[in-house]
Amino acid sequence: GENVEQHPSTLSVQEGDSAVIKCTYSDSASNYFPWYKQELGKRPQLIIDIRSNVGEKKDQRIAVTLNKTAKHFSLHITETQPEDSAVYFCAANDQAGTALIFGKGTTLSVSS
Amino acid sequence: KAGVTQTPRYLIKTRGQQVTLSCSPISGHRSVSWYQQTPGQGLQFLFEYFSETQRNKGNFPGRFSGRQFSNSRSEMNVSTLELGDSALYLCASRGTGGSNTEAFFGQGTRLTVV
Repeated sequence: GENVEQHPSTLSVQEGDSAVIKCTYSDSASNYFPWYKQELGKRPQLIIDIRSNVGEKKDQRIAVTLNKTAKHFSLHITETQPEDSAVYFCAANDQAGTALIFGKGTTLSVSS
Repeated sequence: KAGVTQTPRYLIKTRGQQVTLSCSPISGHRSVSWYQQTPGQGLQFLFEYFSETQRNKGNFPGRFSGRQFSNSRSEMNVSTLELGDSALYLCASRGTGGSNTEAFFGQGTRLTVV
């Protein structure tokens, strides 16, 4: 079945720096790759997603890139702010297309 | 539009007991998925229901089961609880747009097994 690896597990940056989180997946049939942000004690919320017919997508300070050949996708956050501090999860849909398989998460800390 | 609602928010159970968790999806959403979240393991897929049918199941023992009702509300049941079942259980709903659409999560039920 699908397996998603996420790196790094923790990331500390200074306010204003960029942060990059990388994920790899195993199932070439996956065609949907969302990123979720989970603040402490809160539910995961979608921040950006990308489908396999697109190589890059940007939304203000957040961008995601997808390389289907290499089976990896990355989240880029520019001009980080303290409120970006949270756990970020990448995911890919499984072959049946009914489940999201998540990476183990990256704890991002932005210090001012 | 109301979000995904999970009840109860917190539960404390004893080993060997069973527990039932409830999830009410966003109105109009027919797909409900359940995930187990534990520290260091991220979110692990339990099962997915669509129109009262289980379409997919993750790699969990048979002690974990679920069902979906005609109004799309879903329940999951864990029997013969073990200490390792302590976790945050999240459900997520999706609309009818297909598998590559946004999954909306509830706030979760925090289960503690003592």
